[in-house]
Amino acid sequence: EPEVTQTPSHQVTQMGQEVILRCVPISNHLYFYWYRQILGQKVEFLVSFYNNEISEKSEIFDDQFSVERPDGSNFTLKIRSTKLEDSAMYFCASSRDRVTDTQYFGPGTRLTVL
Amino acid sequence: GEDVEQSLFLSVREGDSSVINCTYTDSSSTYLYWYKQEPGAGLQLLTYIFSNMDMKQDQRLTVLLNKKDKHLSLRIADTQTGDSAIYFCAERGNTDKLIFGTGTRLQVFP
Repeated sequence: EPEVTQTPSHQVTQMGQEVILRCVPISNHLYFYWYRQILGQKVEFLVSFYNNEISEKSEIFDDQFSVERPDGSNFTLKIRSTKLEDSAMYFCASSRDRVTDTQYFGPGTRLTVL
Repeated sequence: GEDVEQSLFLSVREGDSSVINCTYTDSSSTYLYWYKQEPGAGLQLLTYIFSNMDMKQDQRLTVLLNKKDKHLSLRIADTQTGDSAIYFCAERGNTDKLIFGTGTRLQVFP
C-alpha cells in the first residue's frame, strides 16, 4: 500500500540554524500538507500546498517557514532560523483532492532545537 | 475558533468494547476522522464519516455522529492489546486544514 515517507526521522540542530525537512507524498496525490505536534500538545496545521503554491497557511507559518516541491516527488519544509520553540514532531500529509479525500500522514520528523 | 476536545485516557480489559468520545465546535464540519498513533509512529487513518451520516461501521470499528450535539464517538469491539495507542479525533470544515483533538490514550490490559 502506498505511503507517505519522511526524512530524517530525527533532526537535531542548533538555534538559529536552517533545517529542511523532507517528505515524499503518495505518488498520485496532488495536495500536500505540513502539521506539527509540540510535545504534549495538539497536532496543529501549518500549511497546505497545491499546484506549486500555498493554498492555506496558519498563523504559525510565518516568514521563517517556507515550503517547496523541488521536483516531481519531494515536498519540503524549510525553517530558516530555528528557535527553541520550533522543537516538535513535524508531519507531512497528502491527499488526492481537497474536498472528498482523506489526508494520509507520514511517520513524522522529530526536530530538536538546542 | 474551532476546537476539538477528547478525554485523555481510557483503560479497558481485553475483549471488552472501548468507546472514545470527541466533541467539536465547528458547525460547518464536513468530514470527521479518527486517526491512531502508535508509539514512535505517524498518524494512521482509521476511519472517517461524512457530516450528513450518523453512523458508519467498518469491521470492529463503529463511528457515531450526533451533529446536533457536535459529538463523535469511536467504538472498538473486542478490544485487543494491539489496539493500545493514542486515538485522535479530527474535523475538517470548508478549508484544507484538519483540526485535531488532544488525543485519547487507550490502554488495554489482559
